[in-house]
Amino acid sequence: NAGVTQTPKFRVLKTGQSMTLLCAQDMNHEYMYWYRQDPGMGLRLIHYSVGEGTTAKGEVPDGYNVSRLKKQNFLLGLESAAPSQTSVYFCASSFLGNQPQHFGDGTRLSIL
Amino acid sequence: QQPVQSPQAVILREGEDAVINCSSSKALYSVHWYRQKHGEAPVFLMILLKGGEQKGHDKISASFNEKKQQSSLYLTASQLSYSGTYFCGTEIKEYGNKLVFGAGTILRVKS
Repeated sequence: NAGVTQTPKFRVLKTGQSMTLLCAQDMNHEYMYWYRQDPGMGLRLIHYSVGEGTTAKGEVPDGYNVSRLKKQNFLLGLESAAPSQTSVYFCASSFLGNQPQHFGDGTRLSIL
Repeated sequence: QQPVQSPQAVILREGEDAVINCSSSKALYSVHWYRQKHGEAPVFLMILLKGGEQKGHDKISASFNEKKQQSSLYLTASQLSYSGTYFCGTEIKEYGNKLVFGAGTILRVKS
């Protein structure tokens, strides 16, 4: 059982570059989430999805875009990376909004 | 609307007890608790869905006071494996469908 898989695990970007983080889950969950984790700030929600084809903004959506074309995949895009986006990014999924969230192993992203 | 967790950090010896508190300024549907070990993903511990509900397994339990918009996590007879950062995630009635996490409580258990 893979659960929630994030790719890549590490990435270094230069300011202004773009990239896409991929999250895939094999649990048939409806809800998927993207968080960023910075020291001392906990997990902050970037965007989330309540089902295939839907997306919604979280607490810190600026500078990010997402897509959920297939139920099992949730993509997070950075169009023009900035040093302030250096962080650890976690994807999570759940059956419903009030059910346990299952997290991927994270992507460590550094922007120089 | 980020919930406030207290304490920010706590150091225990094996066998000691600890309480971690989570307080929100908003009305809540539910409270989730997660533990994260260094360099790893957060792992689900438990959900409290109803006001006054108390849940637990092994020596970790939690309570939820819906009226006070507070939850507490109780760790009894702590073990080395309990070390990590504990996060509460609150499902706010005003927003639904998503969690707002606290900044975390660092717990270190020493032998």
